[in-house]
Amino acid sequence: AQSVTQLDSHVSVSEGTPVLLRCNYSSSYSPSLFWYVQHPNKGLQLLLKYTSAATLVKGINGFEAEFKKSETSFHLTKPSAHMSDAAEYFCVVTDNYGQNFVFGPGTRLSVLP
Amino acid sequence: GAGVSQSPSNKVTEKGKDVELRCDPISGHTALYWYRQSLGQGLEFLIYFQGNSAPDKSGLPSDRFSAERTGGSVSTLTIQRTQQEDSAVYLCASRDGHSYNEQFFGPGTRLTVL
Repeated sequence: AQSVTQLDSHVSVSEGTPVLLRCNYSSSYSPSLFWYVQHPNKGLQLLLKYTSAATLVKGINGFEAEFKKSETSFHLTKPSAHMSDAAEYFCVVTDNYGQNFVFGPGTRLSVLP
Repeated sequence: GAGVSQSPSNKVTEKGKDVELRCDPISGHTALYWYRQSLGQGLEFLIYFQGNSAPDKSGLPSDRFSAERTGGSVSTLTIQRTQQEDSAVYLCASRDGHSYNEQFFGPGTRLTVL
């Protein structure tokens, strides 16, 4: 069975400061991991994905995430937050067959001016 | 190319009525998923179709919910005898069947049961 924990339901940062959104996973298989973003009243958009290649993954809008097997983590980071980053972020784990996509509960990111 | 589309975008219905929600996946995507997202909540898996295989219905919350996928393309999610707790955004996603590939999401259908 797989599961995803997003440790913070809400993160608030000031514009221009770093962003860290935490994600821990549990999987019986070698997982694929994804981060999706959902802006208010918008659909889900893929930010980045890890699929057993490089452990440091770069995504869109300056976001990146590092897969750490020993810590079962896939934290999302960005060096400098922008007001447009305010949204809901979901960490997702799946097995190699893509049959079960398990979503975390989400972290709401607020960016203060 | 065209993304995943869903219709209607909004649906308001009365308690006890049946509703049908439609999803048009990206052409050629063999996998299709339905999720439900209640206000301020994460995504709840409902059902998964992969090619011609029997669907994974393990997430359907009750027998009032059903879904079909015709010709391996368009899918319809049907909710019978709707209840107020069915109010949510229903999201559809499709995916190329190859491993490691991500899901592509539609804009969702917002269902309100009065």
